Amino acid sequence: KAGVTQTPRYLIKTRGQQVTLSCSPISGHRSVSWYQQTPGQGLQFLFEYFSETQRNKGNFPGRFSGRQFSNSRSEMNVSTLELGDSALYLCASSSSDNYGYTFGSGTRLTVV
Amino acid sequence: DQQVKQNSPSLSVQEGRISILNCDYTNSMFDYFLWYKKYPAEGPTFLISISSIKDKNEDGRFTVFLNKSAKHLSLHIVPSQPGDSAVYFCAASLLNYNTDKLIFGTGTRLQVFP
Repeated sequence: KAGVTQTPRYLIKTRGQQVTLSCSPISGHRSVSWYQQTPGQGLQFLFEYFSETQRNKGNFPGRFSGRQFSNSRSEMNVSTLELGDSALYLCASSSSDNYGYTFGSGTRLTVV
Repeated sequence: DQQVKQNSPSLSVQEGRISILNCDYTNSMFDYFLWYKKYPAEGPTFLISISSIKDKNEDGRFTVFLNKSAKHLSLHIVPSQPGDSAVYFCAASLLNYNTDKLIFGTGTRLQVFP
């Protein structure tokens, strides 16, 4: 059974640019959540999608957005990148039958 | 406002001894707690969980204890092994609120030395 796949693994962008990250959940999982990990801040919740609808949103500015497609794949977009957006972005999927996330390996975003 | 806190950023334990990782939370509505382990360059992996109706859950070498009155949970690893060296995150959830949102602590880096 394939795990959660995130692409790309690494990304370098300059300030002011925008970026799109992709996440393919485990087959059959309908919930996809995104987290930002930075040193000292731990894992901070960005948003959660379930059946193409955003069900929950964390305390991040509107520059951070996401969406989910009918096949449960999800994308996260960050516009007008700032240096402080440099982080590891993790996607996790879960099913309603087994509570507990499965995380992808993450996308390491560096903003220069 | 950090609702889930792991006050020890790091812990060093000798192989074979017990590792105790602590986690405190502030929201009494949390009803489900989880521990994740994270190796460098990998996503966190689910380790063990506990519902708020229990005070202990055990899975092999891993035991999680929940003290609701103190809003405190801990993860015990016995015996500790070098392969347990990783960052451990505790997380809390409002399971009955139709959301999969997890609130994570900042993590504790565990190092198990020979």
